[in-house]
Amino acid sequence: SQQGEEDPQALSIQEGENATMNCSYKTSINNLQWYRQNSGRGLVHLILIRSNEREKHSGRLRVTLDTSKKSSSLLITASRAADTASYFCATDPPNSGYALNFGKGTSLLVTP
Amino acid sequence: KAGVTQTPRYLIKTRGQQVTLSCSPISGHRSVSWYQQTPGQGLQFLFEYFSETQRNKGNFPGRFSGRQFSNSRSEMNVSTLELGDSALYLCASSAIGGRGNIQYFGAGTRLSVL
Repeated sequence: SQQGEEDPQALSIQEGENATMNCSYKTSINNLQWYRQNSGRGLVHLILIRSNEREKHSGRLRVTLDTSKKSSSLLITASRAADTASYFCATDPPNSGYALNFGKGTSLLVTP
Repeated sequence: KAGVTQTPRYLIKTRGQQVTLSCSPISGHRSVSWYQQTPGQGLQFLFEYFSETQRNKGNFPGRFSGRQFSNSRSEMNVSTLELGDSALYLCASSAIGGRGNIQYFGAGTRLSVL
């Protein structure tokens, strides 16, 4: 079952602009991860943020987590055409066993 | 290290047939998970194996089954295929699985059921 919901569903920006994607989830979590998927291929892990963390950076990526609002955001700064992909948040709620619950993703298009 | 390898990459079957998909995890990884991805339902968890034992199963009918071998390679089987089984099937491995563990995904097997 879907735990996370990404917003917006689709985002189109130009190279050099920043892209912000949001994820909301329903139950408490231990961790939240963001993954990227290029068209029809496997997912690539981007960043993991634990429930006791509020912000995390990795290169051009910045992730925030607000457990009181059950939401997270992924910011990609200075976007490049190569960032064109779908982005998914994934959570592992306490009752999920060993499964990750993915949202339906945000489709990002970065045009030159 | 080689990544997660899934075979075959593409598969076309007809309704009623059965299919077996294969996944070789990253060397040293003992946890293998399977996901089904469709445009309508998104990514849905199928099951997870660790040391040849199924630890968790998603909400799929019994036609979907899997197993893991002693070398951590995993297979999933779908019997009596239905049109709705058309999807991208993704395998992911992690060192020990469980919460907080990063999953490494293969490129997937795209199954088309005609």
